[in-house]
Amino acid sequence: NAGVTQTPKFQVLKTGQSMTLQCAQDMNHNSMYWYRQDPGMGLRLIYYSASEGTTDKGEVPNGYNVSRLNKREFSLRLESAAPSQTSVYFCASTRLAGENEQFFGPGTRLTVL
Amino acid sequence: GENVEQHPSTLSVQEGDSAVIKCTYSDSASNYFPWYKQELGKRPQLIIDIRSNVGEKKDQRIAVTLNKTAKHFSLHITETQPEDSAVYFCAASIGRGSTLGRLYFGRGTQLTVWP
Repeated sequence: NAGVTQTPKFQVLKTGQSMTLQCAQDMNHNSMYWYRQDPGMGLRLIYYSASEGTTDKGEVPNGYNVSRLNKREFSLRLESAAPSQTSVYFCASTRLAGENEQFFGPGTRLTVL
Repeated sequence: GENVEQHPSTLSVQEGDSAVIKCTYSDSASNYFPWYKQELGKRPQLIIDIRSNVGEKKDQRIAVTLNKTAKHFSLHITETQPEDSAVYFCAASIGRGSTLGRLYFGRGTQLTVWP
């Protein structure tokens, strides 16, 4: 099992450009999450999907959209990138919301110039 | 929502000494408290967790204690080794309602173990 995978690993954007970060898991997990990690700020939840077909905002959703494409895949879209979105983005999954152990992907390092 | 505070932000210890990291939480409905370790450039990985019906849990050199009355929990690492050097995150999860399953993270503690 690959676990949780993310693409790309690195990305550089110019202000105003758009892009989609991809996340997939092969553990048959129901719940998936997107976090951003900034120095000294810990992990902050952007959006999550408790189950296929549902999505909800987390702590810092502004400037982002998500799609739960199917049970395996959960994508994060930046419509118009801003320098404040420079960060490391982690996707995570858990078997059931409430089961609680979350498994993280390797991360995407995004720089917005 | 839940608010998790973590201290200290940095911690330096000599190899062989013990290290303690403390976290507090605000919502009495929180019932699950994991600790994650993140090495430089890597993903966070779960090292130990505790549920609210347990006061202490131990796994080899790592232990976690929970005081529900005071709403705080701590990570204890004994006989530290250089490979314990990493950033450690505590988190709390509320066990009911619309935020079921969400993790609220502390800001992290950079632990450095000197040989």
